[in-house]
Amino acid sequence: DVKVTQSSRYLVKRTGEKVFLECVQDMDHENMFWYRQDPGLGLRLIYFSYDVKMKEKGDIPEGYSVSREKKERFSLILESASTNQTSMYLCASSLAGGPGDEQFFGPGTRLTVL
Amino acid sequence: AQSVTQLDSQVPVFEEAPVELRCNYSSSVSVYLFWYVQYPNQGLQLLLKYLSGSTLVKGINGFEAEFNKSQTSFHLRKPSVHISDTAEYFCAVGVVGGSYIPTFGRGTSLIVHP
Repeated sequence: DVKVTQSSRYLVKRTGEKVFLECVQDMDHENMFWYRQDPGLGLRLIYFSYDVKMKEKGDIPEGYSVSREKKERFSLILESASTNQTSMYLCASSLAGGPGDEQFFGPGTRLTVL
Repeated sequence: AQSVTQLDSQVPVFEEAPVELRCNYSSSVSVYLFWYVQYPNQGLQLLLKYLSGSTLVKGINGFEAEFNKSQTSFHLRKPSVHISDTAEYFCAVGVVGGSYIPTFGRGTSLIVHP
């Protein structure tokens, strides 16, 4: 069974802390994505990666960075967490095939920044 | 650029009633279309997708959707809903020959009442 796992389901951090969200997929997918999900706004793309060490900004990259050192792992980093980064974070992966490929999602990390 | 509009942010319905969740897209070229479902406290999973061929697409859990090119719509339907169908539903579009990153709608919350 294909799987995308995220390191934490719930996380509480303080303003100014550095936060790491980890995502691992076991499907040998080339593409990996980080989204944030907020009520009424749907999914917004933060960053994506189409290969190891490759990354591209999505629609809302400010305040975030990413790392992909291995094909199966894609990390989202909040350099200095702020309260407006309180959200649900979803990781996803897909094959390199093209726009007809489905995305496989992890269960999400609900981050609260106090 | 393509866009997706989910006209209803929330759809309440009684158990065993039929339901339709509406999705309209905008694109100047051919598209792929997806419906994803997100159950409470989970990530998204694919319900169904349209790539080509028959315009009526059947998915999991008794859902189906019809691609209507002239109306630029891809509405999701189920003839009889269950309590367990309570979830957030997202429509997404990918452009044929374009980026592998889909564009998501803002989601529709389906609430099934007993």
